[in-house]
Amino acid sequence: NAGVTQTPKFRVLKTGQSMTLLCAQDMNHEYMYWYRQDPGMGLRLIHYSVGEGTTAKGEVPDGYNVSRLKKQNFLLGLESAAPSQTSVYFCASRPGTPDTGELFFGEGSRLTVL
Amino acid sequence: GQNIDQPTEMTATEGAIVQINCTYQTSGFNGLFWYQQHAGEAPTFLSYNVLDGLEEKGRFSSFLSRSKGYSYLLLKELQMKDSASYLCAVADSNYQLIWGAGTKLIIKP
Repeated sequence: NAGVTQTPKFRVLKTGQSMTLLCAQDMNHEYMYWYRQDPGMGLRLIHYSVGEGTTAKGEVPDGYNVSRLKKQNFLLGLESAAPSQTSVYFCASRPGTPDTGELFFGEGSRLTVL
Repeated sequence: GQNIDQPTEMTATEGAIVQINCTYQTSGFNGLFWYQQHAGEAPTFLSYNVLDGLEEKGRFSSFLSRSKGYSYLLLKELQMKDSASYLCAVADSNYQLIWGAGTKLIIKP
């Protein structure tokens, strides 16, 4: 059972470069999320999606874009990376119905921007 | 505003009991979650409380008081593998999770 899979797991970028993080889930979940996790801070929501073709901004959306063209995939893009985007990024999903709010996480993607 | 508070770090001894507290102020409440996160890994689900009282699951128990905006996670018979961060999160009125910064638990032999 794959669950939630993120690629790549590690990436080093130079300031100004662009990249895309891919999240794939095989649980037929409706909701998908991108979080970032920084030392001493809670998980912060970047963007989320409540279904195929929909996206919405979270707490810290600036500098990121997302797309959900297929239900199972949720892409996070950085158009022009900045050192402040150095972080660990987690993708998560939840069913939607029935729903307690429990999230299922991917393994994380560690991004360093030089 | 919305706020989740939990201690930054706690230390306990192998075999002992430790209680990690979490207080919250959120717009709406649809349950409180505890997740465990080992260093370098993803958070994994531990418990969910939506009604007041104690939920027991093996060595781990979680308590909720909605009137006080308070929860705790109780870990018994501590093992070295319990060294991890413990994240408290509250589901708001839209079932979006609001996260605390996490409590790093250090277990000493």
